[in-house]
Amino acid sequence: GAVVSQHPSRVICKSGTSVKIECRSLDFQATTMFWYRQFPKQSLMLMATSNEGSKATYEQGVEKDKFLINHASLTLSTLTVTSAHPEDSSFYICSARDPRKGNEKLFFGSGTQLSVL
Amino acid sequence: AQSVSQHNHHVILSEAASLELGCNYSYGGTVNLFWYVQYPGQHLQLLLKYFSGDPLVKGIKGFEAEFIKSKFSFNLRKPSVQWSDTAEYFCAVTNSGGSNYKLTFGKGTLLTVNP
Repeated sequence: GAVVSQHPSRVICKSGTSVKIECRSLDFQATTMFWYRQFPKQSLMLMATSNEGSKATYEQGVEKDKFLINHASLTLSTLTVTSAHPEDSSFYICSARDPRKGNEKLFFGSGTQLSVL
Repeated sequence: AQSVSQHNHHVILSEAASLELGCNYSYGGTVNLFWYVQYPGQHLQLLLKYFSGDPLVKGIKGFEAEFIKSKFSFNLRKPSVQWSDTAEYFCAVTNSGGSNYKLTFGKGTLLTVNP
């Protein structure tokens, strides 16, 4: 069964609005979660690393003020796309690292398809 | 910066055919290599991984991959595919230094197995 839950699976919003995506680890405490974005026929691109209790680390070229990440608890990280625009339309996916398993394995959420009109 | 190249965007096979999906990476240091699979409507899940040791690694469902350091390759193989292997396959790499476990993915290869 799924060990990482991501919600919502699909969201359509108007340009200029903000959208929040949640990522939950279900049976382990995830000190670290990762947020990826995937454009059609492109690879998953790491956007940021979310660390519980501290600021997220963003990859080069990712606007931290536009993609707000909050990792307030050991089982929840949220990604908020602020003032979304059509070019933000993409598939967003989170993953969580189970610290009991070292860096051997990441667990992925089912993804969120964001469409900005 | 590391990168991953998957040579085939879409592979179509008949059941019982043999499979080999190419994956090359570019990174100068020591790497950890992964193959992930995403079945239709399901999450990404780990198929197999290479950290060190025997360069021929065996994963779930009869898949295996061989790490060839001199070729910077980590090709995925299966001797006889089944219809249920229809999925998208992603090769990924992370450098093995320190605690870096951020994955760099390839673009993925869609495998369609016809019954």
